[in-house]
Amino acid sequence: AQSVAQPEDQVNVAEGNPLTVKCTYSVSGNPYLFWYVQYPNRGLQFLLKYITGDNLVKGSYGFEAEFNKSQTSFHLKKPSALVSDSALYFCAVRSSDSWGKLQFGAGTQVVVTP
Amino acid sequence: ETGVTQTPRHLVMGMTNKKSLKCEQHLGHNAMYWYKQSAKKPLELMFVYSLEERVENNSVPSRFSPECPNSSHLFLHLHTLQPEDSALYLCASSQDRGKNEQFFGPGTRLTVL
Repeated sequence: AQSVAQPEDQVNVAEGNPLTVKCTYSVSGNPYLFWYVQYPNRGLQFLLKYITGDNLVKGSYGFEAEFNKSQTSFHLKKPSALVSDSALYFCAVRSSDSWGKLQFGAGTQVVVTP
Repeated sequence: ETGVTQTPRHLVMGMTNKKSLKCEQHLGHNAMYWYKQSAKKPLELMFVYSLEERVENNSVPSRFSPECPNSSHLFLHLHTLQPEDSALYLCASSQDRGKNEQFFGPGTRLTVL
């Protein structure tokens, strides 16, 4: 079985401040981890992924995420948030052991205030 | 925007109607997916097609019927839906089903009266 937890329904941050969106996972075997962002009335857009290799992954729009195997976490970060980063963020995981489905978290709403 | 298009973008239907949602991907991918996104609920995977063969069906009611005539097109046929089926229906595609990311369409906002 695999699962994803995004413990925060909403994250509020002031523009220019660092942004962190938390994600923890549970999976048998090695995890494939993904972050997606969804703007209002739009589909999900891929931000970045961790498959193997360097634990720090860099993605689109200045976002990065750090894979921490011991803490089973894959937190999304951005050093300086923009108002345009306000959106719904989803973490997702799949096990490398099987053709299992991509399991999505419930999503975290990010609100960046000017 | 992402190479995956969906039509219509909005659909309102009665419980006795029959309608179809269409998805087309222009990315040369060989796997396609239907998801249901309801308010305050995690994204629910409905169907997966790989090389035009249905490989996953997550206990979806029979009033939802998928069709994949080729690797670029995916349909979701709807009949005798219930109001609780109102949601955003998202189509996605990927190259294989392993470590490659999925690309999503903009979705169809479905309202069942």
